[in-house]
Amino acid sequence: GAGVSQSPSNKVTEKGKDVELRCDPISGHTALYWYRQSLGQGLEFLIYFQGNSAPDKSGLPSDRFSAERTGGSVSTLTIQRTQQEDSAVYLCASSPGASGANVLTFGAGSRLTVL
Amino acid sequence: SQQGEEDPQALSIQEGENATMNCSYKTSINNLQWYRQNSGRGLVHLILIRSNEREKHSGRLRVTLDTSKKSSSLLITASRAADTASYFCATGGSNYKLTFGKGTLLTVNP
Repeated sequence: GAGVSQSPSNKVTEKGKDVELRCDPISGHTALYWYRQSLGQGLEFLIYFQGNSAPDKSGLPSDRFSAERTGGSVSTLTIQRTQQEDSAVYLCASSPGASGANVLTFGAGSRLTVL
Repeated sequence: SQQGEEDPQALSIQEGENATMNCSYKTSINNLQWYRQNSGRGLVHLILIRSNEREKHSGRLRVTLDTSKKSSSLLITASRAADTASYFCATGGSNYKLTFGKGTLLTVNP
């Protein structure tokens, strides 16, 4: 596609349920990022995929969070046993990942509300 | 942890005035970028400056970088109401990971 696509755009769930958020990056982009943004806050890095390398998971806040990227393209962020503090906008971005500086193209985000 | 820290947290100006936002960071960088965010959704890339550059221009945007002080500034000249948004700096290291600051909320009053 022309841009980074995220789904769902909005998700309301009950505490304790699992949720899956999907990101479809720009075709050909080898780098994919997930960030989290709580209300009025900056972006918190969660996880980064680069090609076939092992992902950088250093930003995942707990073992309830996991992400995978299948076939070097679509990525899914899974949050198990959601808590109210997980409520935030989850932003996905991709970049070409070629040599040189990486400019990120962001999706519109998935707004998660945990009741 | 956040690498970049923007200053001020919020800025309110009149249309036509210039807006200056600052960013400080802690570790060595390969590049520094500025992004804009409307309505708390996706961010849009504005401009990138490499560590060996000191100043860059793009339209009404001017970015400076002082690696000795580990700081950058974003100047928006002749601001418009449509420039109202949050502005974030992001620092890039050697591994493509970008670390964002908390942003400056700019309000341009008509």
